[in-house]
Amino acid sequence: KAGVTQTPRYLIKTRGQQVTLSCSPISGHRSVSWYQQTPGQGLQFLFEYFSETQRNKGNFPGRFSGRQFSNSRSEMNVSTLELGDSALYLCASSLPGLGGGETQYFGPGTRLLVL
Amino acid sequence: DQQVKQNSPSLSVQEGRISILNCDYTNSMFDYFLWYKKYPAEGPTFLISISSIKDKNEDGRFTVFLNKSAKHLSLHIVPSQPGDSAVYFCAASDSNTPLVFGKGTRLSVIA
Repeated sequence: KAGVTQTPRYLIKTRGQQVTLSCSPISGHRSVSWYQQTPGQGLQFLFEYFSETQRNKGNFPGRFSGRQFSNSRSEMNVSTLELGDSALYLCASSLPGLGGGETQYFGPGTRLLVL
Repeated sequence: DQQVKQNSPSLSVQEGRISILNCDYTNSMFDYFLWYKKYPAEGPTFLISISSIKDKNEDGRFTVFLNKSAKHLSLHIVPSQPGDSAVYFCAASDSNTPLVFGKGTRLSVIA
C-alpha cells in the first residue's frame, strides 16, 4: 500500500506571497491532519479533516487554512507569508475513528522557506 | 501549557546497550500513546503504541512502558543500533482531541 504523499517536497517563497501544499493520504484513510515543525518546537497541530469537514483546529492564525476533497486528498493554504512560516509542513493520515486512539502515518513533508 | 513533555533533549548510548527515552504527560484523559522516530528531512515514522488499558507493549527491540499513576511512559530500545540514531517523539491523545506531541529527544547511538 502506498504511503502518504506530499507535494511539493521543497518550496521557496517570498514574504507576502501565498502557498498551497497538497497531501494524498494512504488509500482507505479518511482522516488527514496537518502539522508544522520548526526547530526546537516539535510538531504543532494545525488542523484535521475528516470526510471533507474540519474536525479539529490548532492555535494558528486565520492565514492558515485547509480543505479536504471527496477522495480524502487534502490541501493547506498559507496566505500573506511571513518569515516565521518557514518550516517543515507534515501531513498525516489515519483510519476512520472517533478522533482519538488512531495511529497517524506521516508523509515526508514539504519544506517551506520564506525569504 | 505543554501537556506532553520530553525533558531530555538528547541522549547518547553505546551500541548494543539499552536506550531509554522518557515522556511525561499532564492530561489524565489521555488514553492512547505513541512513539515516532524521525530522521532529518523526513516525516515521522510510527514505531509503537500503547493503550491506557495496558502497561507494556513490545515489538521486537522496542518496548513501551506506561505508568498511569505517574503519568509517565518510556520507550526501551535493546540492543541499540547505530541506525536507531534519530529524534524520537512521544505523542498522546484521548477520544476527543488530536495527537499532542512532545518536543522530541535526539538519540545518538555510538558505535
